Amino acid sequence: ILNVEQSPQSLHVQEGDSTNFTCSFPSSNFYALHWYRWETAKSPEALFVMTLNGDEKKKGRISATLNTKEGYSYLYIKGSQPEDSATYLCAFISAVTGGGNKLTFGTGTQLKVEL
Amino acid sequence: DAGVIQSPRHEVTEMGQEVTLRCKPISGHNSLFWYRQTMMRGLELLIYFNNNVPIDDSGMPEDRFSAKMPNASFSTLKIQPSEPRDSAVYFCASSLDGSGGGLYQPQHFGDGTRLSIL
Repeated sequence: ILNVEQSPQSLHVQEGDSTNFTCSFPSSNFYALHWYRWETAKSPEALFVMTLNGDEKKKGRISATLNTKEGYSYLYIKGSQPEDSATYLCAFISAVTGGGNKLTFGTGTQLKVEL
Repeated sequence: DAGVIQSPRHEVTEMGQEVTLRCKPISGHNSLFWYRQTMMRGLELLIYFNNNVPIDDSGMPEDRFSAKMPNASFSTLKIQPSEPRDSAVYFCASSLDGSGGGLYQPQHFGDGTRLSIL
């Protein structure tokens, strides 16, 4: 079982605040890292797929960075809005010899943006 | 465009009954994933297929669970016999990956099936 940890577990911020959270994963056998946004009563929605050390991805006010050598990825939200309230999940993909890589989700960071 | 379609949306049944969950992936996608979501364990991968072939079924909890993908547009997850601890939300997702199931592409999730075993 691969250890994929997300911190903090939950976060309350005020509208307009910028925030960030972390996904930690094993630094060996890295293949890819996915970020998903999951709103209550909906299904997860893909944000980013990151594959290279030093990768930076951006979508609107949300961005992510990747450090495969030390085994972490940060997700940043600039100027949080109430509609950003959701659980943010990372999924670590580890390389498996022969293909058919292994996927493990973290337990998520639950973000609540208040007015 | 149609997304991943799961049925039924809700299922309530009695312990010991057979349960079949269905999934239609996005047309053209070649990888399909079954997940289970519970409060205790979060989102867990049960099994995934690439080009209709099971690649990793190490997450299938026990022999009561089985999954099939008879063609590129349909998959089933079956629980027989069902138990109360199987109660969860089951998600299906699909993606367009290379051969061998590299998991390099983002996954598109269905709306889930909420399963309650009494």
